[in-house]
Amino acid sequence: EADIYQTPRYLVIGTGKKITLECSQTMGHDKMYWYQQDPGMELHLIHYSYGVNSTEKGDLSSESTVSRIRTEHFPLTLESARPSHTSQYLCASSEWLAEYNEQFFGPGTRLTVL
Amino acid sequence: AQSVSQHNHHVILSEAASLELGCNYSYGGTVNLFWYVQYPGQHLQLLLKYFSGDPLVKGIKGFEAEFIKSKFSFNLRKPSVQWSDTAEYFCAVSFGNQFYFGTGTSLTVIP
Repeated sequence: EADIYQTPRYLVIGTGKKITLECSQTMGHDKMYWYQQDPGMELHLIHYSYGVNSTEKGDLSSESTVSRIRTEHFPLTLESARPSHTSQYLCASSEWLAEYNEQFFGPGTRLTVL
Repeated sequence: AQSVSQHNHHVILSEAASLELGCNYSYGGTVNLFWYVQYPGQHLQLLLKYFSGDPLVKGIKGFEAEFIKSKFSFNLRKPSVQWSDTAEYFCAVSFGNQFYFGTGTSLTVIP
């Protein structure tokens, strides 16, 4: 079944640790996205990718980095986690022209940095 | 800066009440409009979308939305809500390669 997966679902980690949030999709989509979502706030786009070897920064400045070595995989990395990184991170994917197609979302990773 | 405004942050209704959630956007050009829903513990999923044509669009689970270009609005409606409609609702606007979400409206339906 085509879907979009995120692991881990929940992560509690200490300050200064390096973490990687995984996102994989079996939708066959070219475009993938990372959003940051805080309670009561809009989803903020932090990274997106048009396809393999393509990565772009979104509207919200983020200290995270992403890579796109395979079409189906779009991991997000924080080199040194800080309490300000505590948030929910949502991964999404869409067909090439996002404006004409819906974005499909993963279940999210809730990150807490102590 | 472009923005999407959802004026109702929390809405509490009794079952069978009618629902209307407001959504306004600030971009003056051609836009595509979406409503997403996030049920407790579940993924964000698409309720309905508007690209062109009939400004009244129907989505899943009895929801509909009306695009009023002159008011830059895309309000979500449902004539009679059910307890199972309790969820977070997000309006979104796209133009070009940009995709913007509103802050969301939390709907609680009381049985």
